[in-house]
Amino acid sequence: ETGVTQSPTHLIKTRGQQVTLRCSSQSGHNTVSWYQQALGQGPQFIFQYYREEENGRGNFPPRFSGLQFPNYSSELNVNALELDDSALYLCASSPNPATYEQYFGPGTRLTVT
Amino acid sequence: DQQVKQNSPSLSVQEGRISILNCDYTNSMFDYFLWYKKYPAEGPTFLISISSIKDKNEDGRFTVFLNKSAKHLSLHIVPSQPGDSAVYFCAASTASGTYKYIFGTGTRLKVLA
Repeated sequence: ETGVTQSPTHLIKTRGQQVTLRCSSQSGHNTVSWYQQALGQGPQFIFQYYREEENGRGNFPPRFSGLQFPNYSSELNVNALELDDSALYLCASSPNPATYEQYFGPGTRLTVT
Repeated sequence: DQQVKQNSPSLSVQEGRISILNCDYTNSMFDYFLWYKKYPAEGPTFLISISSIKDKNEDGRFTVFLNKSAKHLSLHIVPSQPGDSAVYFCAASTASGTYKYIFGTGTRLKVLA
């Protein structure tokens, strides 16, 4: 059984650019959640995808968007990057949307300069 | 508005002694609580959880206590081991709406050999 994987591991972007982060969910899981963890903070919920549809969103602006594919993998896209977007982005997969079980990937460290 | 708070950013404990990590929450709608452990460069790893219908849950060296009237939970690690050194996050969730986690800011535990 493969765990949650994320790519890339690290990324450096310039303010104003766009970025796409990728996540492969654990085998058998159809739900993916994305979290942003700023330095010294706990992870903050961005949104969740279930069966290719957004299934809940946290307090993040529309320039944070996502996709889920038929194989349940997911992308997080951030447009017009700001310096404050520098953070660790974590993906978590669940066997279904109505469960407390979430399994986290290792994260993507995004630095915006 | 920080709904889940971990007021101790760090804690040092001697090997073999008890580690007690604390967490407070404000939202009475939370009905499920979890503790995650995080090592550098890794995603959070699930440690132990507790439903709001219980006041204690035990798993080996780890015990979580929930005091609903005080909106407080704690994680006890007995005996503490050097390998327990990590950042510990408290998280809360609710069955209402999206099963997302609200995380605290974390407590860095250092177990001294």
